[in-house]
Amino acid sequence: GENVEQHPSTLSVQEGDSAVIKCTYSDSASNYFPWYKQELGKRPQLIIDIRSNVGEKKDQRIAVTLNKTAKHFSLHITETQPEDSAVYFCAASRGTGGFKTIFGAGTRLFVKA
Amino acid sequence: EAQVTQNPRYLITVTGKKLTVTCSQNMNHEYMSWYRQDPGLGLRQIYYSMNVEVTDKGDVPEGYKVSRKEKRNFPLILESPSPNQTSLYFCASSVTSEAEQYFGPGTRLTVT
Repeated sequence: GENVEQHPSTLSVQEGDSAVIKCTYSDSASNYFPWYKQELGKRPQLIIDIRSNVGEKKDQRIAVTLNKTAKHFSLHITETQPEDSAVYFCAASRGTGGFKTIFGAGTRLFVKA
Repeated sequence: EAQVTQNPRYLITVTGKKLTVTCSQNMNHEYMSWYRQDPGLGLRQIYYSMNVEVTDKGDVPEGYKVSRKEKRNFPLILESPSPNQTSLYFCASSVTSEAEQYFGPGTRLTVT
């Protein structure tokens, strides 16, 4: 079946450094790629998303890039802060083709002050 | 306040005793979904619904049932729970299939 692989599973960075999380998806019909942040004991919340007709999207310190040919997309966080520490999940879905959504296994990000 | 609610938040039950976890949203969203979250496995979609009376299987539907009789409610039914269904369950809703999913607070289920 379809799957989404996410790497690394754990990432530790120094405050102010950049963090990059990478995902690869298998379903070539996927066209919507959201990223969710989950703080300890809380529900997941969307931080950024990208659609297949766009190669890159930025929102302040967060950016996502998409390479449809290679079927991979990445999350970039610049100038990391301690409050960025959380688990981050990528996901892929067919969007207008349905609502089946496949999540990656998650990346636990630690930002050391 | 726009929100997704789930009940109960915590539940400990025994194998084979039927249970229902309710989910309700007040945002008039057409799309709703159930996920289970297990350590190291991320979020796995159980069932989803694209409108009233329209439901479909996600990645891990075995042992679960859903119904969507009204737009705001999407209950998850475990007819005969087993210990491997011990997990953290999230309900989510979305205005379209390419928009943010708003998650409920989660239901921690333990089946002994």
